[in-house]
Amino acid sequence: GAVVSQHPSRVICKSGTSVKIECRSLDFQATTMFWYRQFPKQSLMLMATSNEGSKATYEQGVEKDKFLINHASLTLSTLTVTSAHPEDSSFYICSARDAPTGGYNEQFFGPGTRLTVL
Amino acid sequence: QKEVEQNSGPLSVPEGAIASLNCTYSDRGSQSFFWYRQYSGKSPELIMFIYSNGDKEDGRFTAQLNKASQYVSLLIRDSQPSDSATYLCAVIGQAGTALIFGKGTTLSVSS
Repeated sequence: GAVVSQHPSRVICKSGTSVKIECRSLDFQATTMFWYRQFPKQSLMLMATSNEGSKATYEQGVEKDKFLINHASLTLSTLTVTSAHPEDSSFYICSARDAPTGGYNEQFFGPGTRLTVL
Repeated sequence: QKEVEQNSGPLSVPEGAIASLNCTYSDRGSQSFFWYRQYSGKSPELIMFIYSNGDKEDGRFTAQLNKASQYVSLLIRDSQPSDSATYLCAVIGQAGTALIFGKGTTLSVSS
């Protein structure tokens, strides 16, 4: 099956620093990648959708200048949390999708990145 | 605003019983429906997807879709303690490509 990796799996940083999270599709070309955030006991909330070579589309309430998304290739998308603060501490999960066939829209999820901002 | 609603639970069932998980969605034009399982600290894993009205069976799992009622359910037969997890219902709306998740239902299967 399709595999999506994320790096790092866990990161602890000081308030005010920036953190970059990578999401890679290992055995398929991801035309679209999605970034989700999940707070404890909450569901996954979509942050943004990115298509290779295009600017990301951010969901309402998500600051695009704070959460920088780059989808430079068909196998790599990065999320940079700029000037991180404790309230940004969360579980960040990416998912990737190749071109849908026959209406099938399965997304493949990465293992997630646990960000803790001190 | 497009929403996916689930009862947060916890839903507790004994081992070997049938667990029934329910989900409703607000976007009548939604086309694709998914059930994911998520263990604590892990990312979601796909259990089943369903597109057409009716039932779809895969092993111990049966997904049921009723578009007229905007209702999706997941039945787990012969529940096992390893099924204890949070089950997330997700929907792709008519115009979208992203999954919209419900808050999830926590299932606890006791041995």
